[in-house]
Amino acid sequence: QQQVKQSPQSLIVQKGGISIINCAYENTAFDYFPWYQQFPGKGPALLIAIRPDVSEKKEGRFTISFNKSAKQFSLHIMDSQPGDSATYFCAAIQRAYSGAGSYQLTFGKGTKLSVIP
Amino acid sequence: EAGVAQSPRYKIIEKRQSVAFWCNPISGHATLYWYQQILGQGPKLLIQFQNNGVVDDSQLPKDRFSAERLKGVDSTLKIQPAKLEDSAVYLCASSLETGGFYNEQFFGPGTRLTVL
Repeated sequence: QQQVKQSPQSLIVQKGGISIINCAYENTAFDYFPWYQQFPGKGPALLIAIRPDVSEKKEGRFTISFNKSAKQFSLHIMDSQPGDSATYFCAAIQRAYSGAGSYQLTFGKGTKLSVIP
Repeated sequence: EAGVAQSPRYKIIEKRQSVAFWCNPISGHATLYWYQQILGQGPKLLIQFQNNGVVDDSQLPKDRFSAERLKGVDSTLKIQPAKLEDSAVYLCASSLETGGFYNEQFFGPGTRLTVL
């Protein structure tokens, strides 16, 4: 059962354009939504994250838009650059209580972004 | 600050053989995770340790996979015997654990396993 659905699978954008990646979830127990960026041969790295009580969060060229009622969120990359070419994963976190605090991180399937000059 | 270290980076084995992966987390990180990332998919959690105790191993195929974290630092993940469908990148991640809200997980570069 895929708990976080991500689209599109791949995306080609011209340099300077806007890249948009969408995600949807069903589990209302999710309470934190990070985005990860992964370059070939590297592990994923946290890019930006949002809590469900916030509708938008911006960090530099990266913006998350969050629609709690629709259970959807998206990543916008403004002024896309060739260096942004990577695979992007949306994720959702459901807190699992273990006494010391532990977190179940569920990833989408990823979007391969190619920014062409 | 040194990141999460993993070895080997690549491994090719025949089916039914055994294989082991090693992970050294960021110093001071109490929580350690092993993920399986199949080509074209997002990482899937296999097991989570808090110090040297298992917090969550609900998605670990225990008939063939095992993991341990001795002394609450390094960890090894073993597959015995391997199947073709185990071909994937095995990622190790670690995080601080202060009991508060989510602490960022830092991922290692992964071990790419090919089972022939």
